[in-house]
Amino acid sequence: DARVTQTPRHKVTEMGQEVTMRCQPILGHNTVFWYRQTMMQGLELLAYFRNRAPLDDSGMPKDRFSAEMPDATLATLKIQPSEPRDSAVYFCASGPRTGGYGELFFGEGSRLTVL
Amino acid sequence: AQSVTQLDSHVSVSEGTPVLLRCNYSSSYSPSLFWYVQHPNKGLQLLLKYTSAATLVKGINGFEAEFKKSETSFHLTKPSAHMSDAAEYFCVVIDFRSNDYKLSFGAGTTVTVRA
Repeated sequence: DARVTQTPRHKVTEMGQEVTMRCQPILGHNTVFWYRQTMMQGLELLAYFRNRAPLDDSGMPKDRFSAEMPDATLATLKIQPSEPRDSAVYFCASGPRTGGYGELFFGEGSRLTVL
Repeated sequence: AQSVTQLDSHVSVSEGTPVLLRCNYSSSYSPSLFWYVQHPNKGLQLLLKYTSAATLVKGINGFEAEFKKSETSFHLTKPSAHMSDAAEYFCVVIDFRSNDYKLSFGAGTTVTVRA
């Protein structure tokens, strides 16, 4: 049963520390999205990639966030330095190569708490 | 630009009674519309999609939605609610003609099911 895998599932860290979240998209999917979910803001798109190339990261605070896809099996989202307002659940989602646009498969999320 | 409005932030139903979740969309072109479900502490899962074929779309777990262009609506229904339907539901629109793969999420509707 193919699924998107995210690590870590939970992370508690102190303000100023670096946080790296990882995502393994479903094999063969060519689009990868990073979303952030909070009670106040709901789901926010941070970045997305197609064929490993970043297409849009306008939703991401550039000074502290960075997103990369070093290869087709790994996407990373890094926060440096982290701040308490970054506390949220971060979701990775991947989408199929042909057709099916909009049919995203979500991971179970990485819950980040910054103290 | 496209957007969706979910008209109810919270819906409460009794088990065995119908469920109606309302969604209105705004799109410059012919949109593709989706409903996703998120169970507690889980990622989002696709329930169903409309992509300009049949206007009545059937999804998983007995849900269906009807696309009504004249009303710019895509309401989600289920004839008989089950306890396992308690979750948050998101209406989503994407406009492929913009060649943009960003999904626009509604704010979500939380469904509670009373025994």
